[in-house]
Amino acid sequence: DIVMTQSPDSLAVSLGERATINCKSSQTILHNSNNKNFLAWFQQKPGQPPKLLIYWASTRESGVPDRFSGSGSGADFTLTISSVQAEDAAVYYCQQYYIPPHTFGQGTNLEIK
Amino acid sequence: EVQLLESGGGLVQPGGSLRLSCVVSGFTLNSCALTWVRQAPGKGLEWVSGLTVRSGATYYADFVKGRFTISRDSSTNTLYLQMNSLRPDDTALYYCAKGVGPPPSDYILDFWGPGTLVTVSS
Repeated sequence: DIVMTQSPDSLAVSLGERATINCKSSQTILHNSNNKNFLAWFQQKPGQPPKLLIYWASTRESGVPDRFSGSGSGADFTLTISSVQAEDAAVYYCQQYYIPPHTFGQGTNLEIK
Repeated sequence: EVQLLESGGGLVQPGGSLRLSCVVSGFTLNSCALTWVRQAPGKGLEWVSGLTVRSGATYYADFVKGRFTISRDSSTNTLYLQMNSLRPDDTALYYCAKGVGPPPSDYILDFWGPGTLVTVSS
């Protein structure tokens, strides 16, 4: 199985500052046939199901604010929130959908200072 | 409007069985893949099982292989998860989620249900 490892486990960022979350896969999740990285990012707030933010490593889901961006390729990826807002307090997960089981990272808890 | 609604959770003894259901609306069951994801209390997300509806291909996490079975009934727009030989560490909120569309986007999970809670305890 592909192991997804996120860092850090938690971070505290001041309002308006940048937040960066890293995600590393145990093998490449870049598909040669279409040159796409099979990686998604989700946001989960307490008592709610996860919400899709980013897919194909860098494509923002419809309706997601443009302060959220994804980057990276191969086995190393990053989710960046350019200017953190109060409503961004949540747990963030990366997930690979390259090979089943489509494993998730352990999650990163974002706290707003 | 796309909706998914899980049901069938509850309290079950170790070694027991439950069948979870996920009724979907607002999209065609045959148009995309469907997935079960679980979350133990206070823990992270765990991918459990997936079903590519068009082909019928099924996939399982190692920790449920041989115990859980994913299936669907297109006539009732319902996804199922038959869970046998349940263990205390299967205790979790179980979500169903739909994929965006046809391959290669079929397992990008864009809509999720609110989840149904399964508690395995004596």
